[in-house]
Amino acid sequence: ETGVTQSPTHLIKTRGQQVTLRCSSQSGHNTVSWYQQALGQGPQFIFQYYREEENGRGNFPPRFSGLQFPNYSSELNVNALELDDSALYLCASSSGLAGGSTDTQYFGPGTRLTVL
Amino acid sequence: AQSVTQLDSHVSVSEGTPVLLRCNYSSSYSPSLFWYVQHPNKGLQLLLKYTSAATLVKGINGFEAEFKKSETSFHLTKPSAHMSDAAEYFCVVSDPGGYQKVTFGTGTKLQVIP
Repeated sequence: ETGVTQSPTHLIKTRGQQVTLRCSSQSGHNTVSWYQQALGQGPQFIFQYYREEENGRGNFPPRFSGLQFPNYSSELNVNALELDDSALYLCASSSGLAGGSTDTQYFGPGTRLTVL
Repeated sequence: AQSVTQLDSHVSVSEGTPVLLRCNYSSSYSPSLFWYVQHPNKGLQLLLKYTSAATLVKGINGFEAEFKKSETSFHLTKPSAHMSDAAEYFCVVSDPGGYQKVTFGTGTKLQVIP
């Protein structure tokens, strides 16, 4: 069974640029969630995708957007990067019905984004 | 609205002594609760979860947690700390709803002294 993978591992961008982060979910999982973890903080929920549709969103502006593909892999896109977007971005996949609060989320190792 | 408070940002214990990491939660529903561990430069790993079955939950690596509704607590314990337990620990609450809404605590960094 393949775990959750993310690419790239590290990324450096400048303010105003755009970035795309990628996530491959664990085999058999149809739900992907994205989190932002600033230095010294707990992960903050960005949004969740279930069967290619966004079905939940945290308190993040519209310049944070995403996609989920038919194979359930996912992308996180961030436009007009700001210095405060510097963080570890985590992807997590889970199986079961959408809204399953008991579902275990399996996390990838993250992408470290630095905005200069 | 759901929230979770980890009462200690840092905990330091000697190897072989008990570990207690404290977590209080707030939820309007019957939540699910999780503990995750994050080692440096590694992803988050699930230690254990509570899903309204037994209130005492056993996890991996000798960790366990007890759900106390009256105290709205879900503290993580381990009888004897090992050097490899040094990491950051996150308490997580998840409410039922249209999607898996998950809220993380701010984390507790566990230091194990040899």
